[in-house]
Amino acid sequence: NAGVMQNPRHLVRRRGQEARLRCSPMKGHSHVYWYRQLPEEGLKFMVYLQKENIIDESGMPKERFSAEFPKEGPSILRIQQVVRGDSAAYFCASSPGPSDGYTFGSGTRLTVV
Amino acid sequence: AQSVTQLDSQVPVFEEAPVELRCNYSSSVSVYLFWYVQYPNQGLQLLLKYLSGSTLVKGINGFEAEFNKSQTSFHLRKPSVHISDTAEYFCGGTSGSRLTFGEGTQLTVNP
Repeated sequence: NAGVMQNPRHLVRRRGQEARLRCSPMKGHSHVYWYRQLPEEGLKFMVYLQKENIIDESGMPKERFSAEFPKEGPSILRIQQVVRGDSAAYFCASSPGPSDGYTFGSGTRLTVV
Repeated sequence: AQSVTQLDSQVPVFEEAPVELRCNYSSSVSVYLFWYVQYPNQGLQLLLKYLSGSTLVKGINGFEAEFNKSQTSFHLRKPSVHISDTAEYFCGGTSGSRLTFGEGTQLTVNP
């Protein structure tokens, strides 16, 4: 049973480009969460999704960021017109339900140059 | 809303010494509490979790934590640490739909 798969592991984008981060949850997990970890900081919640629904996006920046979890395929975190301050590690986690422990992926490390 | 506070940002200890990483939570609803470990350039790995029942929770790698409702704490302990325990440790709590983390504690085990 594969864990949470995130790709790419490393992503370099120039300022103004788009970044697309993908997350495939563990088999049988229908809850997906995205977190951002800035250098030397903790993990900040961004968004919680179930299939085809955004449940809680209170941690998402209001502009340039969006997330989806379609009926088929991985969850996508999309950052438009990236800026240097978006450079961070982005972690995806999945769980069978909100009261279960989350399983985290290895993260995508985004560098904006 | 749930908030989680880790009281120490850095904890240096010597190998084979005991260690306690402190975590306090605040919530007006029932809570689920977790400890995760993050090794350099990796994701988070679940150490242990408290959902209900016994307040002493045993996890992997010899770690344990005690849920103390009166002190709103969930401190992580290990009686004898190894060099390989050097990592960042995150305490987290859920209330409602999401898991909120503390700022993390960097545990450094020195020989």
